[in-house]
Amino acid sequence: AQKITQTQPGMFVQEKEAVTLDCTYDTSDPSYGLFWYKQPSSGEMIFLIYQGSYDQQNATEGRYSLNFQKARKSANLVISASQLGDSAMYFCAMRENFGNEKLTFGTGTRLTIIP
Amino acid sequence: NAGVMQNPRHLVRRRGQEARLRCSPVKGHSHVYWYRQLPEEGLKFMVYLQKENIIDESGMPKERFSAEFPKEGPSILRIQQVVRGDSAAYFCASSPARQAHQPQHFGDGTRLSIL
Repeated sequence: AQKITQTQPGMFVQEKEAVTLDCTYDTSDPSYGLFWYKQPSSGEMIFLIYQGSYDQQNATEGRYSLNFQKARKSANLVISASQLGDSAMYFCAMRENFGNEKLTFGTGTRLTIIP
Repeated sequence: NAGVMQNPRHLVRRRGQEARLRCSPVKGHSHVYWYRQLPEEGLKFMVYLQKENIIDESGMPKERFSAEFPKEGPSILRIQQVVRGDSAAYFCASSPARQAHQPQHFGDGTRLSIL
């Protein structure tokens, strides 16, 4: 079974609209962390936001927020007021406490912002 | 403070040659991770090292690939007798002492092309 599933290969969103990128995960580890990374066309991996399995509140970082639904094992990324510079690949990743700290990545979502 | 530094940014090799990829972690970080990204895919874990020790190499091919993180100097990912299928982007990440809920900081990657 896939540990991280991103079901949206590509999305097109009008500038200034909000967008939700889906991510579901699978783990039996009670302690884990969920991360979102952005990879623009230049190729670098940019850390966006983190959610811990024991965190009571959803994480927020500027225009990024994480809609964490633990019972459903989902950790969707919400980008508010999208900008042209948000066009990129977005990867959801999980780090399990018993997994030697390595990150397991999803296959990514290519987001394109339309002016 | 400098982030994770990887070099070279681009590397071209002919089949059968050796490729050496270098990674200098964030100053003070003692944990290094290598990931491989094939075209249009997410990152896949290869190996996790601490200074002078390989902690987890479960994602690394058994043959031709090796990694080290000496007491002094950068971490090296070495690919011997490269083949076309080794063409990929190789990313290095670092983190401080084992902390499951901290993001890994990525370098800009090395794009390896095999002719």
